Amino acid sequence: DTEVTQTPKHLVMGMTNKKSLKCEQHMGHRAMYWYKQKAKKPPELMFVYSYEKLSINESVPSRFSPECPNSSLLNLHLHALQPEDSALYLCASSQGTEYNEQFFGPGTRLTVL
Amino acid sequence: AQKITQTQPGMFVQEKEAVTLDCTYDTSDPSYGLFWYKQPSSGEMIFLIYQGSYDQQNATEGRYSLNFQKARKSANLVISASQLGDSAMYFCAMREGGNTDKLIFGTGTRLQVFP
Repeated sequence: DTEVTQTPKHLVMGMTNKKSLKCEQHMGHRAMYWYKQKAKKPPELMFVYSYEKLSINESVPSRFSPECPNSSLLNLHLHALQPEDSALYLCASSQGTEYNEQFFGPGTRLTVL
Repeated sequence: AQKITQTQPGMFVQEKEAVTLDCTYDTSDPSYGLFWYKQPSSGEMIFLIYQGSYDQQNATEGRYSLNFQKARKSANLVISASQLGDSAMYFCAMREGGNTDKLIFGTGTRLQVFP
């Protein structure tokens, strides 16, 4: 199984809502990532978990809260988002060694009203 | 300073022809990896090909090959025999040796293949 799955595919939420994005991989990868991608831009790294511990936080606002319940799952909890947070949110995983590629999921298209 | 540069915002190629997508990079680390990803309109980032800084030969994966010129710090992607399904956004990315978890992406090139 070489797949990273993400749910939901689409999400529309208001600025006062709380929602969560979910990501799952069963490749035994030790590193998992959240990226944010605005239209016509490259992905921007948000968070990295390595061996279920947060190893990189790219100065992301606290309204985004990551969680790694186990080695296969990665969540992104959303609260009090702004319209400018509307974007494609991509999850990825990798073996984490220097030369291993990151495998990406299909993404969640988030719209904040 | 921008570390990955893709100077072609858009490229057109006729079906069955070859096309080269440019990528230059900047790093002082002797150990690094270079990646190319394809992103169709559906959004998923698809890994295409990888080149390590110490690799002696250019990487190839099916119709994809990487023209790695280390002295010029370029890692151009060559797609042979283009297909309509190759129409997508293509991103070049680099991982520097000191941090194995962070990929730096270029701004991307949108490739359109026409019949």
